[in-house]
Amino acid sequence: NAGVTQTPKFRVLKTGQSMTLLCAQDMNHEYMYWYRQDPGMGLRLIHYSVGEGTTAKGEVPDGYNVSRLKKQNFLLGLESAAPSQTSVYFCASSRPSYEQYFGPGTRLTVT
Amino acid sequence: SQQGEEDPQALSIQEGENATMNCSYKTSINNLQWYRQNSGRGLVHLILIRSNEREKHSGRLRVTLDTSKKSSSLLITASRAADTASYFCATDAAGSARQLTFGSGTQLTVLP
Repeated sequence: NAGVTQTPKFRVLKTGQSMTLLCAQDMNHEYMYWYRQDPGMGLRLIHYSVGEGTTAKGEVPDGYNVSRLKKQNFLLGLESAAPSQTSVYFCASSRPSYEQYFGPGTRLTVT
Repeated sequence: SQQGEEDPQALSIQEGENATMNCSYKTSINNLQWYRQNSGRGLVHLILIRSNEREKHSGRLRVTLDTSKKSSSLLITASRAADTASYFCATDAAGSARQLTFGSGTQLTVLP
């Protein structure tokens, strides 16, 4: 039982490049989330999904897109990376109204 | 916007002492959760307390919730060096479609 896994762990992008972060969970959770964490701050919700085929915007969705084609996977895309998107990205999953399980994070640097 | 705000921002104590962290929030909630984050790692869930509960225990952790004051506290008893981490409260606001809003955290350092 791996829990929540994220790929890749580290990535460096140049401004304007694109990339996709992959999150996978093996707990059969309905809900999945993408957060970003900047130095000295808590997590801010980017997008979330309450089930396969559904997505919704969180607090800071601009510049990101997501897809949930399979229940166990939640993808976060950056179409044209900007230095302001340098951050640590966390994925999480949960059952409705229960605690969230977090992945180990992806450290992204945009130069 | 941050629904939960932790206090203090940083706390340094000796091993064996108790550590208390507070969280205040602004709107009605379904539940409030506490998480721990070790440096460079993902968050780990500690306790979830629902809006109709006032106190909850888990091992050396005790959480209280006062919905009239919109506040919660996390008490860690008999702290250990391994408790050194950042602690975050997160609120599941009523009507939020189950989104969690995190505070900026309390950095706890337990000195051996």
